[in-house]
Amino acid sequence: NAGVMQNPRHLVRRRGQEARLRCSPMKGHSHVYWYRQLPEEGLKFMVYLQKENIIDESGMPKERFSAEFPKEGPSILRIQQVVRGDSAAYFCASSPTPATMNTEAFFGQGTRLTVV
Amino acid sequence: AQSVTQPDIHITVSEGASLELRCNYSYGATPYLFWYVQSPGQGLQLLLKYFSGDTLVQGIKGFEAEFKRSQSSFNLRKPSVHWSDAAEYFCAVGASSNTGKLIFGQGTTLQVKP
Repeated sequence: NAGVMQNPRHLVRRRGQEARLRCSPMKGHSHVYWYRQLPEEGLKFMVYLQKENIIDESGMPKERFSAEFPKEGPSILRIQQVVRGDSAAYFCASSPTPATMNTEAFFGQGTRLTVV
Repeated sequence: AQSVTQPDIHITVSEGASLELRCNYSYGATPYLFWYVQSPGQGLQLLLKYFSGDTLVQGIKGFEAEFKRSQSSFNLRKPSVHWSDAAEYFCAVGASSNTGKLIFGQGTTLQVKP
């Protein structure tokens, strides 16, 4: 059973371009969480999605950022018109149900976005 | 507000020495506590977690952590550090209803001297 797969592992974008980050959850997992890790900081929760639904987007910046988790295919974190401050590592985690004490979330290896 | 504080940003220990990484949390309800390790350029690996029961929790790679409610702490310990333990360590707290939505500390970078 493959783990949480994120791609690309590294992404370089010029200011103003769009960045699309993909996350394929573990097999059988229908709940996905996105986190952002800025340099020298811990991970910050961004959004929690279930198949075709956004459950909690309290950590998402109000503009330029969006996330989806379609019925088929990976979850996508989309950043429009990227700026230098978007440079960070973006991590995805997945769980089979809402992660609880009996069903923890598993993390992918992250996508490192660099905006030049 | 809910928060996690890791007071030590960097720690250096000699190989074979004991290790303690501090973690303090602020959380209104019963906390669910985690320690993760992140090697350079890698993702997060769960070392151990505390949900309830015995306050001394054993994890992988010889790590353990002790939950002390009176001190709002969940310190990570290892009796003898190996060079391969050099990494960044994160403490996190989650709600019982959804431990996928975690609040992380800023992390502690561990350097191991030969």
